[in-house]
Amino acid sequence: DAGITQSPRHKVTETGTPVTLRCHQTENHRYMYWYRQDPGHGLRLIHYSYGVKDTDKGEVSDGYSVSRSKTEDFLLTLESATSSQTSVYFCAIKSTGSTEAFFGQGTRLTVV
Amino acid sequence: AQTVTQSQPEMSVQEAETVTLSCTYDTSESDYYLFWYKQPPSRQMILVIRQEAYKQQNATENRFSVNFQKAAKSFSLKISDSQLGDAAMYFCAYRSARSGGGADGLTFGKGTHLIIQP
Repeated sequence: DAGITQSPRHKVTETGTPVTLRCHQTENHRYMYWYRQDPGHGLRLIHYSYGVKDTDKGEVSDGYSVSRSKTEDFLLTLESATSSQTSVYFCAIKSTGSTEAFFGQGTRLTVV
Repeated sequence: AQTVTQSQPEMSVQEAETVTLSCTYDTSESDYYLFWYKQPPSRQMILVIRQEAYKQQNATENRFSVNFQKAAKSFSLKISDSQLGDAAMYFCAYRSARSGGGADGLTFGKGTHLIIQP
């Protein structure tokens, strides 16, 4: 257990509504990441953070925003959810100097 | 940008046999890390094995070993003595070693579904 928790684990929401997913860590790792997993695509990086208030875009950032106001929490927001954002979302954490990233359990989001 | 290709969407192997999963990647960098992750039906992403590009020796973890061919940009995973618990999706992943290796995140292949026949 790498001390990483995602919430909620499952969510169904309607098109056009805002949604926020939370990633919480207890290990004080510097780096945090959000990925989405879709059939036939593997995992793709949405956004990442390299410190409090320090974030940057990944490969598939359109339609998503993130915030990290404290070390332990990294929030992913869908301002206006669309059906194309139906996916499984994974958070990952990594410490400086470590080669290994640890993943959360994932959040299954369905936009109807 | 780096790309990772897994050309086998699905593989099947008899229990106790050996299976090799293929992965190729494209990069212009010389220093990087490669990983194999396992994702069972529970959805949890589990690190199986890692390889540092500057190391010539192939990584080994118990029944899991890799064949790392840097010039060919190939990184295959060999599973020996396959067990029913090995059934899962397997993802090959790449991460740059620049910026301390943290800022860029991982680039994943599309995965290989491994089936173990009893």
